[in-house]
Amino acid sequence: DAKTTQPTSMDCAEGRAANLPCNHSTISGNEYVYWYRQIHSQGPQYIIHGLKNNETNEMASLIITEDRKSSTLILPHATLRDTAVYYCIAGYNQGGKLIFGQGTELSVKP
Amino acid sequence: DAGVTQSPTHLIKTRGQQVTLRCSPKSGHDTVSWYQQALGQGPQFIFQYYEEEERQRGNFPDRFSGHQFPNYSSELNVNALLLGDSALYLCASSRSGGSIYNEQFFGPGTRLTVL
Repeated sequence: DAKTTQPTSMDCAEGRAANLPCNHSTISGNEYVYWYRQIHSQGPQYIIHGLKNNETNEMASLIITEDRKSSTLILPHATLRDTAVYYCIAGYNQGGKLIFGQGTELSVKP
Repeated sequence: DAGVTQSPTHLIKTRGQQVTLRCSPKSGHDTVSWYQQALGQGPQFIFQYYEEEERQRGNFPDRFSGHQFPNYSSELNVNALLLGDSALYLCASSRSGGSIYNEQFFGPGTRLTVL
């Protein structure tokens, strides 16, 4: 599975868009990009995933570069409840193991 | 729908002891995965069970074993506990089959402390 690199921490003002970058320069052609988040004292929660095209759901948008070497998770209007560790994962669409890195600790501030 | 449930919530053991952690998957799910999360780290994959068999395994010693029951619930057993086994143990369930990504739903975890 491809390795991902994320910033250790980021801050975002409440109500503003939070843009979380992820580098996955060694991703292979059939590996997906998944995003999960983990709010303190809870288990991780699935957010979104994509292969090549940009994706959007009720929680977030995922922008994948054309060369697929990096991606950005966008929370369009961050709230205090979005404060969490966000994990970017690159892997195969097999419903199998997830390889978590260190993640980005996002702090949404009033 | 109760989601993924795990028991117990917290557990304290001493070195050398054995522990069993339990997980009930989300309704409709037949696959259970276990993860270990040390403080300040991301979760690390231990193994995955489907059809009562271990299907995938991460880089964990044989002291870590598991079981899946016909009702899809699962147990994680750890023998000869070490101090380094202190962690949050997460269970995740998913639905097998199909070509659509099988989102994994995580439980709240069991906090194991080894003294």
